[in-house]
Amino acid sequence: AQSVTQLDSHVSVSEGTPVLLRCNYSSSYSPSLFWYVQHPNKGLQLLLKYTSAATLVKGINGFEAEFKKSETSFHLTKPSAHMSDAAEYFCVGGSSASKIIFGSGTRLSIRP
Amino acid sequence: EAQVTQNPRYLITVTGKKLTVTCSQNMNHEYMSWYRQDPGLGLRQIYYSMNVEVTDKGDVPEGYKVSRKEKRNFPLILESPSPNQTSLYFCASSDRYSGRNEQFFGPGTRLTVL
Repeated sequence: AQSVTQLDSHVSVSEGTPVLLRCNYSSSYSPSLFWYVQHPNKGLQLLLKYTSAATLVKGINGFEAEFKKSETSFHLTKPSAHMSDAAEYFCVGGSSASKIIFGSGTRLSIRP
Repeated sequence: EAQVTQNPRYLITVTGKKLTVTCSQNMNHEYMSWYRQDPGLGLRQIYYSMNVEVTDKGDVPEGYKVSRKEKRNFPLILESPSPNQTSLYFCASSDRYSGRNEQFFGPGTRLTVL
């Protein structure tokens, strides 16, 4: 069975400090993994995508994520948070023939 | 501009009054899907469609219907809405059915059933 777990429902960081949003997956096969961002009153937008070409994936707005098979993790990071990063973030997993599985989301707050 | 549109964006209705939320995409995508988003639960899939006239149940299909008569449109129908269907609904599309493909999301429809 496949599952995606976001370990934190809420993360708060100060502006200019690093961001870490954690995601673990469980899959019996090599998954594709995505991070989407949802700003208030907006739809979901793709941040980045892993499909086995490279374990370190760079996305938009300075975000990146690293696929670690040994840890079954796909954590999202950014070196320096900006106020505009405040949003909800979803980790999503899937494979070529499987269902698409959403994590429960992590709300990121940025303190001035 | 490539996009997924939904209408209405906001809707307040009463129990039992049939409603339809429309979804349209202009990217010629084969795959379309409906999700509901509730606090702490992420997005849960209601129905999906792999192509015209092909639809299937997702994780939470009870109380909903869909149709796919044209490739670009995928309306969500609530025949007899109930308060537990109060939620934020998203339509999404991708070029074909695969967990490896990016999905493109509409802006969402916030539904309140009184």
